[in-house]
Amino acid sequence: DGGITQSPKYLFRKEGQNVTLSCEQNLNHDAMYWYRQDPGQGLRLIYYSQIVNDFQKGDIAEGYSVSREKKESFPLTVTSAQKNPTAFYLCASSVDTQLRPQHFGDGTRLSIL
Amino acid sequence: QKEVEQNSGPLSVPEGAIASLNCTYSDRGSQSFFWYRQYSGKSPELIMFIYSNGDKEDGRFTAQLNKASQYVSLLIRDSQPSDSATYLCAVIPGGYSSASKIIFGSGTRLSIRP
Repeated sequence: DGGITQSPKYLFRKEGQNVTLSCEQNLNHDAMYWYRQDPGQGLRLIYYSQIVNDFQKGDIAEGYSVSREKKESFPLTVTSAQKNPTAFYLCASSVDTQLRPQHFGDGTRLSIL
Repeated sequence: QKEVEQNSGPLSVPEGAIASLNCTYSDRGSQSFFWYRQYSGKSPELIMFIYSNGDKEDGRFTAQLNKASQYVSLLIRDSQPSDSATYLCAVIPGGYSSASKIIFGSGTRLSIRP
C-alpha cells in the first residue's frame, strides 16, 4: 500500500535538545511538506520541498530545519531554538506543487518534558 | 481579517439529515479549494477538491463554490455518526499555482447525534 509514514507517533523533548521527526513516502511524489497544528487551529506550513536537494521555508520556519537527500524522505529537526515546540506535526506529499491536493501522514505529537 | 474563515462549531446535526459546512475566504482571486476531514487525534484526510464555480458531487458529499460571494460549502447527505469530525477548509490564494501557498481554516467541529 502506498502512503506516508511518520515516526515516532509520540515524542518528548528535553530542554535544549534537538529532536528529529521522520517522514517517508512511497507514493513517488516530488513535493513534500511539514505542517504544525496547535489545538483548535489550522495547519501552518513550516518547510516544503519541491524536489530532491531543494527545500524552502514556509510561514513558521524559525527553530526548525529539514533535509531532502532522497525523494522518499523529508525529516524535520526541531531545534532547541524552537521555544514552543509542543504541537501536532504533520507531513504531507503531493505529486507536485502545482495545485495538487496533498495527502497526509498520521502525524507526530511532540511534547516538552 | 483571517484569510480563510470557518465557524468553529460544534455543529450538531441529527443522523440522516444534511450537514452544511461553510467557509469564506478573503482573496477574490483564489482558484483552488479543498475540504479535509480530521478525526480527533488523527491527520487530515482529503475528501473533496473543487476548482470551478458550481457544485461537485462525490457520493454523499457535495462541494459548492461561489466565487462571486467568496464562499465554499460542503454538504453531507444522510449524515452518519462516523461523519463526526472536524472539517478543514483550505484555499490556494490567487496569483499562486503552488500548493506550498495553501491556507487552512481552523476547522468546524461536526457532531452527528443518533
